[in-house]
Amino acid sequence: NAGVTQTPKFRVLKTGQSMTLLCAQDMNHEYMYWYRQDPGMGLRLIHYSVGEGTTAKGEVPDGYNVSRLKKQNFLLGLESAAPSQTSVYFCASSDTSGRWSYEQYFGPGTRLTVT
Amino acid sequence: AQSVTQLGSHVSVSEGALVLLRCNYSSSVPPYLFWYVQYPNQGLQLLLKYTSAATLVKGINGFEAEFKKSETSFHLTKPSAHMSDAAEYFCAVKKIGGYSTLTFGKGTMLLVSP
Repeated sequence: NAGVTQTPKFRVLKTGQSMTLLCAQDMNHEYMYWYRQDPGMGLRLIHYSVGEGTTAKGEVPDGYNVSRLKKQNFLLGLESAAPSQTSVYFCASSDTSGRWSYEQYFGPGTRLTVT
Repeated sequence: AQSVTQLGSHVSVSEGALVLLRCNYSSSVPPYLFWYVQYPNQGLQLLLKYTSAATLVKGINGFEAEFKKSETSFHLTKPSAHMSDAAEYFCAVKKIGGYSTLTFGKGTMLLVSP
């Protein structure tokens, strides 16, 4: 049981390049989330999904797109990277039922630098 | 909309001393509340959560937190700090019901000196 995994762990992009971050979970969770973490800002929600085929905007969605084609995967895309998107990106997932409902399980993070 | 305020971006304690990390929330309805810990270069791990059952919640690694509705607070405590407690701690709030998501505070870095 790997929990939540993220690919890649590190990436350096040039301004204007595109990339996709992959998040996978093996807990059969319905909800999945993408956050960014910046110093002194805590975690801010970019996009989230409440089930396969659904996505919704979070607090800071601009410049990002997401897709949830399979229940276990949640992809975060940057179409044209900007230096302001230099950050650590975390994926999380949560269940919707039971005693531990809404506890979010986090992946190890992806450190992205845009030059 | 709910929000969370963590007082103090950094807290320093000596090993063996009391740990107190402060969290105040703002919510139009009683929320669920969470404390997460993040060790260097790792993701977040749940320490404990309040879900409208007992107001004193015990978590992992000897931490506990008390929900005080009158003070809109959910402070995290540990009687005796250990060097391994050095990490960043995040308080988070979620509105009960529906698809509402977690809102995180900005975090408090706990520094433990020998």
